Amino acid sequence: QKEVEQDPGPLSVPEGAIVSLNCTYSNSAFQYFMWYRQYSRKGPELLMYTYSSGNKEDGRFTAQVDKSSKYISLFIRDSQPSDSATYLCAMSVRSNYQLIWGAGTKLIIKP
Amino acid sequence: GAVVSQHPSWVICKSGTSVKIECRSLDFQATTMFWYRQFPKQSLMLMATSNEGSKATYEQGVEKDKFLINHASLTLSTLTVTSAHPEDSSFYICSARDPLLRTSRSNEQFFGPGTRLTVL
Repeated sequence: QKEVEQDPGPLSVPEGAIVSLNCTYSNSAFQYFMWYRQYSRKGPELLMYTYSSGNKEDGRFTAQVDKSSKYISLFIRDSQPSDSATYLCAMSVRSNYQLIWGAGTKLIIKP
Repeated sequence: GAVVSQHPSWVICKSGTSVKIECRSLDFQATTMFWYRQFPKQSLMLMATSNEGSKATYEQGVEKDKFLINHASLTLSTLTVTSAHPEDSSFYICSARDPLLRTSRSNEQFFGPGTRLTVL
């Protein structure tokens, strides 16, 4: 079993829909959780960074962490074609520590 | 801030030759850089962690003699693929940490744009 599980998709939704992307993990010691976005043939860019449980909102993006269920989510509101990309979750046990990556979910927003 | 560049962005080489990829932190000093490999439609696979002034730490299964990493300065790390073969064709991405970020975000990695290597 992988430490971090993420459905690779693809996930295809119409423009304007709310998108929910998820990762589950097995290591209860993870405390730092990140979501990266990667466009085709480009390096990943950090979207959201959260510590411990709870929600964090940034514009159309909301990151949610449920440590009791070992489950993290990224919600995208009012999705747009430019949001089409692969979304990778990453997490670590503590700061200044190696990141453990999910497989990435390919998201397609249809105009 | 926190910009990482890679050069070249793509390279095509003949089997048996060596290829060097550069990773630079442009506006910060990176004591730690990471090298990843990514196959089509797959996630990032960490190859090695590069620390300035010391030997790189390679992940299990990654050949040290084939993938030479040099982190000679606080802004530059290089990956050399020696005696490249078609199976080495992949997307290579580097990332770097900014040690001046406050502790709660010190494990944030800033990624370069990647280098696509094709070995004929």
